[in-house]
Amino acid sequence: EVQLVESGGGLLQPGGSLRLSCAASGFTFSNHWMHWVRQAPGKELVWVSLINNDGSSTTYADSVKGRFTISRDNAKNTLYLEMNSLRAEDTAVYYCVRDNSAAYWGQGTLVTVSS
Amino acid sequence: DIVMTQTPLSSPVILGQPASISCRSSQSLVHSDGRTYLSWLHQRPGQPPRLLIYEISNRLSGVPDRFSGSGTGTDFTLKISRVEAEDVGVYYCMQATQAPITFGGGTKVEIK
Repeated sequence: EVQLVESGGGLLQPGGSLRLSCAASGFTFSNHWMHWVRQAPGKELVWVSLINNDGSSTTYADSVKGRFTISRDNAKNTLYLEMNSLRAEDTAVYYCVRDNSAAYWGQGTLVTVSS
Repeated sequence: DIVMTQTPLSSPVILGQPASISCRSSQSLVHSDGRTYLSWLHQRPGQPPRLLIYEISNRLSGVPDRFSGSGTGTDFTLKISRVEAEDVGVYYCMQATQAPITFGGGTKVEIK
């Protein structure tokens, strides 16, 4: 069974940093591109970042470019999102999503940025 | 980026009656490989989105056949033939034809 389990969310002040993790199981992680998608409270889904299967290529939404870094450890079957210089508008549930099919989503982890 | 526009924003429906949601893309979603990567997802409160339909009209295994997708090019529709209580929530269209993937703003289906 495919499972994606996010962790690392929390409450922090503007300007802070956080690293999210997404532990994958039930499939060959190294074969799949992975996304981070976020959803602010009561709002729509917004794509954040994409990494290819071996980690050699990454892309970001303009809103997070230069502040967020996506990475992966295929030996540990884990996807990461390093988040720096956090702003109030980054407050959201962050989901990891397996490839463009979007057939598999994690449960999400809540990041709250507030003073 | 491709902009996905959904209508209506909200759809109050009587149980057992049909519902229809439209999704329009800012450019054609036909990929160079000939396929159209338009999907529909359903999200219940407090839950992650769940894929219902991919490539316009293909239901994921386990999705009831009261859900159907149609459309071509830039205009797409999700239809629920007879709404059941478990169908409430927000429906999103999503395109994966051109990076980055983008989502519609969502349509809330609620029971009237």
